[in-house]
Amino acid sequence: DAGVIQSPRHEVTEMGQEVTLRCKPISGHDYLFWYRQTMMRGLELLIYFNNNVPIDDSGMPEDRFSAKMPNASFSTLKIQPSEPRDSAVYFCASSFKGASSQNIQYFGAGTRLSVL
Amino acid sequence: AQRVTQPEKLLSVFKGAPVELKCNYSYSGSPELFWYVQYSRQRLQLLLRHISRESIKGFTADLNKGETSFHLKKPFAQEEDSAMYYCALAHGSSNTGKLIFGQGTTLQVKP
Repeated sequence: DAGVIQSPRHEVTEMGQEVTLRCKPISGHDYLFWYRQTMMRGLELLIYFNNNVPIDDSGMPEDRFSAKMPNASFSTLKIQPSEPRDSAVYFCASSFKGASSQNIQYFGAGTRLSVL
Repeated sequence: AQRVTQPEKLLSVFKGAPVELKCNYSYSGSPELFWYVQYSRQRLQLLLRHISRESIKGFTADLNKGETSFHLKKPFAQEEDSAMYYCALAHGSSNTGKLIFGQGTTLQVKP
């Protein structure tokens, strides 16, 4: 397996534009997590899914952020409209609730977002 | 409330010196603790977990429930250890799959 795949790797956009980040989890994993990483706040959990269902979205900063997981192999994080303070690295991670690997999360390479 | 605290944002040591990255947690149940590492321009990856009780790349971490700590240690730092280190806590009994991360500590190993 190629691991968790995120696209794009880099995104530069202008304030007010819609941004869509994509994630393909590891096949067979039943949890998917979206994180945001900044220098000031470190790694913040935004939302996570279990079996494609959103479980906890309390970390989503505001209504401009939304996430979907239409099937087990794909998720999106959308920001509309984007603002300069959304500039960060966004990570997707997946995990499998099995006996030996429970709670181990596997991270994608991240999307570096710059909102001008 | 569940919380993970890494008091140092930056830890700078010389090559060959001992390293200890501090991690304290707040959790009422039986936690599962992890250390994740992020090398420059690489993805975050698991370094070690307390239930495995293993040494990875010379690093060890012992869960001290009395002090609610899970400090990461290495007796002799190497330049390739320079990275960002995150301590994380999982809800051991409720099995939600969710991890709570600390703020991270950047380890800088100077030649």
